[in-house]
Amino acid sequence: AQSVTQPDIHITVSEGASLELRCNYSYGATPYLFWYVQSPGQGLQLLLKYFSGDTLVQGIKGFEAEFKRSQSSFNLRKPSVHWSDAAEYFCAVGAVGGATNKLIFGTGTLLAVQP
Amino acid sequence: DAMVIQNPRYQVTQFGKPVTLSCSQTLNHNVMYWYQQKSSQAPKLLFHYYDKDFNNEADTPDNFQSRRPNTSFCFLDIRSPGLGDTAMYLCATSREGRTEAFFGQGTRLTVV
Repeated sequence: AQSVTQPDIHITVSEGASLELRCNYSYGATPYLFWYVQSPGQGLQLLLKYFSGDTLVQGIKGFEAEFKRSQSSFNLRKPSVHWSDAAEYFCAVGAVGGATNKLIFGTGTLLAVQP
Repeated sequence: DAMVIQNPRYQVTQFGKPVTLSCSQTLNHNVMYWYQQKSSQAPKLLFHYYDKDFNNEADTPDNFQSRRPNTSFCFLDIRSPGLGDTAMYLCATSREGRTEAFFGQGTRLTVV
């Protein structure tokens, strides 16, 4: 069965520091992978996606992620965090089957940014 | 801007009193989804429509129903809400095939 693991429930970084959020997936074929961000009380905003091709993908707000098939990982990175990046981050994999895009989410990583 | 709009943003309902949540989209996507997100948990798919075809997830309670009268609108009906149905309900849309889903702002439902 497909699944997504985000090992870090909560991370605190200082403003200006670099950030890496971990994501591991379990999937039987070539996955399509997403990172979404959710501010308190809000919906989900897509940061970036991987379908195929270049394994380093660029997203909005200065985020990037690298797909590593050998490690079944899709870690999210940002070189310099801003206070406005404080939010919850969800990694997701597109589920197998059909023409629809059902998403299986990880449990999320809550990011706090210290001044 | 094209988008996914959910109404209301906040809803309080009494235990056992039916409630309907609304979702509309201007993206003209043929797939619409409803996710339930309980506090500090990941969103969980309840069901989705592919055009007019309704697809229920195996573990979605019978208490939850959905209607899609046209491409633009989709409704989530909770027939007899329980306290455990307190959650954020997220509507999303996508085209068919390998593509991303676009989410609305969510409706935060509280059952009292």
